[in-house]
Amino acid sequence: EPEVTQTPSHQVTQMGQEVILRCVPISNHLYFYWYRQILGQKVEFLVSFYNNEISEKSEIFDDQFSVERPDGSNFTLKIRSTKLEDSAMYFCASRGDRGNQPQHFGDGTRLSIL
Amino acid sequence: GESVGLHLPTLSVQEGDNSIINCAYSNSASDYFIWYKQESGKGPQFIIDIRSNMDKRQGQRVTVLLNKTVKHLSLQIAATQPGDSAVYFCADRTPAGGGADGLTFGKGTHLIIQP
Repeated sequence: EPEVTQTPSHQVTQMGQEVILRCVPISNHLYFYWYRQILGQKVEFLVSFYNNEISEKSEIFDDQFSVERPDGSNFTLKIRSTKLEDSAMYFCASRGDRGNQPQHFGDGTRLSIL
Repeated sequence: GESVGLHLPTLSVQEGDNSIINCAYSNSASDYFIWYKQESGKGPQFIIDIRSNMDKRQGQRVTVLLNKTVKHLSLQIAATQPGDSAVYFCADRTPAGGGADGLTFGKGTHLIIQP
């Protein structure tokens, strides 16, 4: 069964550094998403992306965050200047384009800011 | 504030029994609901979904019930197995057009299966 894959599984970064989290969505999907989950808390929506542009973003997704689809298979989340509170699991998701399709999630990248 | 939440943080059931996990949502404009299962160290795994024009939907060993009058969603798991142990999240979507369909998740219920 097709999967959303994310790399790396764990990223450790110094505060203030830039970090890029990578995702390969399911190949025939057209809608892409990033979510985060702080340890022990619920999953929170960050951003949705369709047709090469952001379609929706949450309050969490401020100017420090950006997303990109650099080629036909990858979808990235960049945090420009990381803060301690950015430490969390970051999940990528994708879905197909037919009506109500469920979002399928990757297994996440654990981001640890030191 | 949260638009989706769960009533219980932990639910413990005997193996072979049926489980019912409940969820309340607050946005009456939500038109699509999903249940996810999250095992330790993994991402949310899709279980079952339901549109707002339906009251009930069944899958393999799972049933989702939607009561729009009281804005309540439940997940029923029949004959629970050890592999059902996980945290279960409900999520909803409020349509906003233009491809905007970020999900709002509840806090999760940890389902524990007792042998």
